[in-house]
Amino acid sequence: KAGVTQTPRYLIKTRGQQVTLSCSPISGHRSVSWYQQTPGQGLQFLFEYFSETQRNKGNFPGRFSGRQFSNSRSEMNVSTLELGDSALYLCASSLSGTMTLEQYFGPGTRLTVT
Amino acid sequence: AQKVTQAQTEISVVEKEDVTLDCVYETRDTTYYLFWYKQPPSGELVFLIRRNSFDEQNEISGRYSWNFQKSTSSFNFTITASQVVDSAVYFCALSEAGSSGDKLTFGTGTRLAVRP
Repeated sequence: KAGVTQTPRYLIKTRGQQVTLSCSPISGHRSVSWYQQTPGQGLQFLFEYFSETQRNKGNFPGRFSGRQFSNSRSEMNVSTLELGDSALYLCASSLSGTMTLEQYFGPGTRLTVT
Repeated sequence: AQKVTQAQTEISVVEKEDVTLDCVYETRDTTYYLFWYKQPPSGELVFLIRRNSFDEQNEISGRYSWNFQKSTSSFNFTITASQVVDSAVYFCALSEAGSSGDKLTFGTGTRLAVRP
């Protein structure tokens, strides 16, 4: 069974630009969560989608948004990039998103903002 | 608000030593889940264990063991006879059952270096 895949794996953008990251969950998984990992702030929850609906959101500005498609694939978008958005963005999927089952993480997308 | 504290930033041991990684958590919920994840240099978080708040039994899986103590709000992780392949950053995480859907609160991680 294929794991969680994230594309692209590496990305370099300039301040002010916008970026879209993609996450394909494990087949059959309906919940997709996104996390940002930085050396200063550690791992922080961005948002979670289940059946195309955002169920949970972390404390991030509105420049961070996401969506989920009917096939459970998810995208997150960051507009007006800032230097501080440089991070490893991790996506995780689970069957139901109830914490009764474990989340499986993808390899991440490393975003560098210059 | 929930919080996870991993006071040990870095630990260095020699191969075959036992090592314990500490995790202390704070939550107002009576029902919650605790996790440990391993992050090797490749970056992908690897699930190690999930424990719910009603199950205080210690668990052993090969060289890994976990000690959950609600009285001290701790969920410590011990690696017995460490190996070089155990070198990674280890994260403890908490999820409250009251929150809708998956939302993990992570500790800051403990970087473990196992020297040959």
